[in-house]
Amino acid sequence: DAGVIQSPRHEVTEMGQEVTLRCKPISGHDYLFWYRQTMMRGLELLIYFNNNVPIDDSGMPEDRFSAKMPNASFSTLKIQPSEPRDSAVYFCASSLLATNTEAFFGQGTRLTVV
Amino acid sequence: DQQVKQNSPSLSVQEGRISILNCDYTNSMFDYFLWYKKYPAEGPTFLISISSIKDKNEDGRFTVFLNKSAKHLSLHIVPSQPGDSAVYFCAASAGDMRFGAGTRLTVKP
Repeated sequence: DAGVIQSPRHEVTEMGQEVTLRCKPISGHDYLFWYRQTMMRGLELLIYFNNNVPIDDSGMPEDRFSAKMPNASFSTLKIQPSEPRDSAVYFCASSLLATNTEAFFGQGTRLTVV
Repeated sequence: DQQVKQNSPSLSVQEGRISILNCDYTNSMFDYFLWYKKYPAEGPTFLISISSIKDKNEDGRFTVFLNKSAKHLSLHIVPSQPGDSAVYFCAASAGDMRFGAGTRLTVKP
């Protein structure tokens, strides 16, 4: 397996525009996590899915953020409208089980909102 | 609400010496703890883990200690090598996986 694949690697957009980040988890993994990395808070958990169903979205900062997982091999994180303070690195990770196992991370998407 | 805390943003040690990275957590429901290592422009990679039923797990130069009563875990690296220089994240799991803010380790030759 190629691991967790995220696209794009870099995204620069203007304030107010819609941004969509994409993730392909490792095949067979039932859990998918979206994280945002910032200097102050490290890796913040935004939302996670189990078998394509959102389990906990309490980390999603605002209604501008939404995430979907239409099938087991694809998930999106959308920001609409984007703001400069959304600039960060966004990571997707997947794992086989809920606990007692590690999560595997993608390489991240660096988002810059100008 | 930071459920996992790494209070030292950075640590610098000499090559060959021991590196000790610390982590505290608040949620007693966490039952699995992990350490990840991250290089610039890459995703975090898994390093070592420990179940809540254990107090120590060792893998080569890396040892993780868990003190459940204190809600504290630590990662020991001995001997430290320049290639260990990276950001280290502590994580705790109870179905989800929560991370600390990270500690940047610099190992000087």
